[in-house]
Amino acid sequence: KAGVTQTPRYLIKTRGQQVTLSCSPISGHRSVSWYQQTPGQGLQFLFEYFSETQRNKGNFPGRFSGRQFSNSRSEMNVSTLELGDSALYLCASSLTGFSGELFFGEGSRLTVL
Amino acid sequence: DQQVKQNSPSLSVQEGRISILNCDYTNSMFDYFLWYKKYPAEGPTFLISISSIKDKNEDGRFTVFLNKSAKHLSLHIVPSQPGDSAVYFCAAMSGATNKLIFGTGTLLAVQP
Repeated sequence: KAGVTQTPRYLIKTRGQQVTLSCSPISGHRSVSWYQQTPGQGLQFLFEYFSETQRNKGNFPGRFSGRQFSNSRSEMNVSTLELGDSALYLCASSLTGFSGELFFGEGSRLTVL
Repeated sequence: DQQVKQNSPSLSVQEGRISILNCDYTNSMFDYFLWYKKYPAEGPTFLISISSIKDKNEDGRFTVFLNKSAKHLSLHIVPSQPGDSAVYFCAAMSGATNKLIFGTGTLLAVQP
């Protein structure tokens, strides 16, 4: 069974640019969550999608957005990048989205220069 | 405001001994708690969980204890093995949601 796939794995952007990250969940999983990991901050919840609807949202500015497609694949977008957006962005999927037992991808490492 | 805290950034133990990782939380609405393990260059993997109606859950070498009155949980690993060396995150949630609140992690090093 294929795991959660995130692309790209690494990317470098400059301030002011925008970026789109992609996540393919485990087949059959309908819930996709996104987390930001930075040193000293742990993992911080960005948002969660279930059946193409955003169910939960974390405390991030509106520059962070996401969406989910009918095949459960998800994308997140960050516009007007800032240096502080440099982080590991982790996507996680689960079957129903109610258990907390998430399957994480390896992450997309974003560096903003 | 850090609702889930792991006050020990790192912990070193000898192989075969017990590893105890601690986690404190402030939100009394949390009703489900989880531990995840993360190796470098990999995503976190689910390890063990506990509901707030229990005070202990065991899975092989891993046991999680919950003290609701103290808002404290701990993960015990017995016996510790070098392959257990990783960053351990505790997480909490309330209600039927996948919005997990994570701690900042504890780096466990098990020395052979």
